[in-house]
Amino acid sequence: DTAVSQTPKYLVTQMGNDKSIKCEQNLGHDTMYWYKQDSKKFLKIMFSYNNKELIINETVPNRFSPKSPDKAHLNLHINSLELGDSAVYFCASSQDTGGNQPQHFGDGTRLSIL
Amino acid sequence: GNSVTQMEGPVTLSEEAFLTINCTYTATGYPSLFWYVQYPGEGLQLLLKATKADDKGSNKGFEATYRKETTSFHLEKGSVQVSDSAVYFCALYTGRRALTFGSGTRLQVQP
Repeated sequence: DTAVSQTPKYLVTQMGNDKSIKCEQNLGHDTMYWYKQDSKKFLKIMFSYNNKELIINETVPNRFSPKSPDKAHLNLHINSLELGDSAVYFCASSQDTGGNQPQHFGDGTRLSIL
Repeated sequence: GNSVTQMEGPVTLSEEAFLTINCTYTATGYPSLFWYVQYPGEGLQLLLKATKADDKGSNKGFEATYRKETTSFHLEKGSVQVSDSAVYFCALYTGRRALTFGSGTRLQVQP
């Protein structure tokens, strides 16, 4: 069974469109994250949710809106897509017990903006 | 602020060579330190971790020691294999519920 699953794996769309990426974890973790990995492999936190509550929002444009319907899901909706949004987006989860627990990552969603 | 600095890649080695990937950090307080590995087309996986000074994390032949005096957490392996080819990320955690990653170091191991 996949621990952290993201869909879709690939997303190709045009500038200006609105799209969503879904993430689900079956590990019983109470903290979930979205990271963005650019073309140079640099990985940066975007959002963190703990028990459906937003904990971190790292200077991400408000075109990006995370939604956590329950603690097993954290979806990412992006409005008015721009060329600079092209990247790989990773969802992750962890058991929030002080930071010593590892984060478990999904396989990523490769977003390409035409 | 918190930051992690890794050596630039790619690092290209022959099979059975000794590997070192340097990692240094800047952080307030006493962070936990991690190495993650990303194989082609996959997400990141935890490779090893250390939570306090002088701890040594180890897994799959890889080791790293938490050196508070030099603020370093260098990754080493005595004999690399082709299957170790991947991107390696050093990361730290200081309690804001997210990891701060280094820029990643690509390792290419040739037969």
